[in-house]
Amino acid sequence: AQKVTQAQTEISVVEKEDVTLDCVYETRDTTYYLFWYKQPPSGELVFLIRRNSFDEQNEISGRYSWNFQKSTSSFNFTITASQVVDSAVYFCALSGGGGADGLTFGKGTHLIIQP
Amino acid sequence: ETGVTQTPRHLVMGMTNKKSLKCEQHLGHNAMYWYKQSAKKPLELMFVYNFKEQTENNSVPSRFSPECPNSSHLFLHLHTLQPEDSALYLCASSRSTGGQQYFGPGTRLTVT
Repeated sequence: AQKVTQAQTEISVVEKEDVTLDCVYETRDTTYYLFWYKQPPSGELVFLIRRNSFDEQNEISGRYSWNFQKSTSSFNFTITASQVVDSAVYFCALSGGGGADGLTFGKGTHLIIQP
Repeated sequence: ETGVTQTPRHLVMGMTNKKSLKCEQHLGHNAMYWYKQSAKKPLELMFVYNFKEQTENNSVPSRFSPECPNSSHLFLHLHTLQPEDSALYLCASSRSTGGQQYFGPGTRLTVT
């Protein structure tokens, strides 16, 4: 069975601070994919990143960066110099490598950026 | 490109009603999904369709009945729902295995 754990239910920081959202996953698949999605108050899930299990290189996209470590089964997400518009619920998700698998989501982390 | 659309956006129904949720994707994808997001639980996968064939039913009660007439359309037929079925129902599609899933805006369902 697959499982995704986002231990941080809510994080509140002041604008311009850096913040890291944690994600730990469990799977027996050797091939799998990890995702981060953002859900703003409007409700629509916005794709941020997909990473396959064979690619452990960290990735940076503007103020966003991701740290994938298979040794600790973690896929953490860091926002540098946070902005109020970053306020949202962030979900980490996992899918297996066989077939059109659905996503297993974590419970989400509610990120609040205070001005 | 309008991506993934869902109608209606909001729905209020009684427990004895029958209604349907519609999802349409304009992305040429082959896989479509229904997810449920309720206040007390994380996002839950309900159904997966791949090339119009249902490949996964995540132990969903029979009062939810999916239908996928073609790769672009997905329906969720609802009947005799319970108040605890009130939630945001999200549809998604993807091109292939492990691919990025594109989500629709969701249907906010309230069962009275």
